[in-house]
Amino acid sequence: AQSVTQPDIHITVSEGASLELRCNYSYGATPYLFWYVQSPGQGLQLLLKYFSGDTLVQGIKGFEAEFKRSQSSFNLRKPSVHWSDAAEYFCAVGSGTYKYIFGTGTRLKVLA
Amino acid sequence: DTEVTQTPKHLVMGMTNKKSLKCEQHMGHRAMYWYKQKAKKPPELMFVYSYEKLSINESVPSRFSPECPNSSLLNLHLHALQPEDSALYLCASSQPGPQDDGYTFGSGTRLTVV
Repeated sequence: AQSVTQPDIHITVSEGASLELRCNYSYGATPYLFWYVQSPGQGLQLLLKYFSGDTLVQGIKGFEAEFKRSQSSFNLRKPSVHWSDAAEYFCAVGSGTYKYIFGTGTRLKVLA
Repeated sequence: DTEVTQTPKHLVMGMTNKKSLKCEQHMGHRAMYWYKQKAKKPPELMFVYSYEKLSINESVPSRFSPECPNSSLLNLHLHALQPEDSALYLCASSQPGPQDDGYTFGSGTRLTVV
């Protein structure tokens, strides 16, 4: 079965600390992998994507993610978190057939 | 400014009303989507249009009726909704199929059914 798991429902970090959000997937075909961020009451914004090639991808707002095929993971990282990063983060997987599978999301809280 | 614009931003409607949600994109994308998102949940796919044709309907009740007048516009017509239909309705666009480069989402319409 195709699925995306974000094991952490909530994560709290201090401003300036590093961040890693986990994403594991189960997908039969070669996956397209995405991370989206959603601020309260807003739409989702694409942070970064992986289709093929270099397994470390850079995105907007200083985020990066690493695709590890052997672990079926696509974890999102940021070296130093800013208070404005507080939001909901969604991992998604697809294969160019319109239907993405979204994870349940991780809510990030940033302490001043 | 977002390149996918949704109107209105907020909508309150009674269960006997008819209303429409509108979405316009200026990305040149040929696939457009309606998603429904309940609080603290991921978005749920409702409809997909590809090249102005309905390609996916995720078994959505007929009280929701999508329309794609042209490649830039997407409407969602609402009629006889139920309170449980209250949610954030998100429009998105992308290039279809293998050219998919990720979705661009609008800011959503917050719908309340009373």
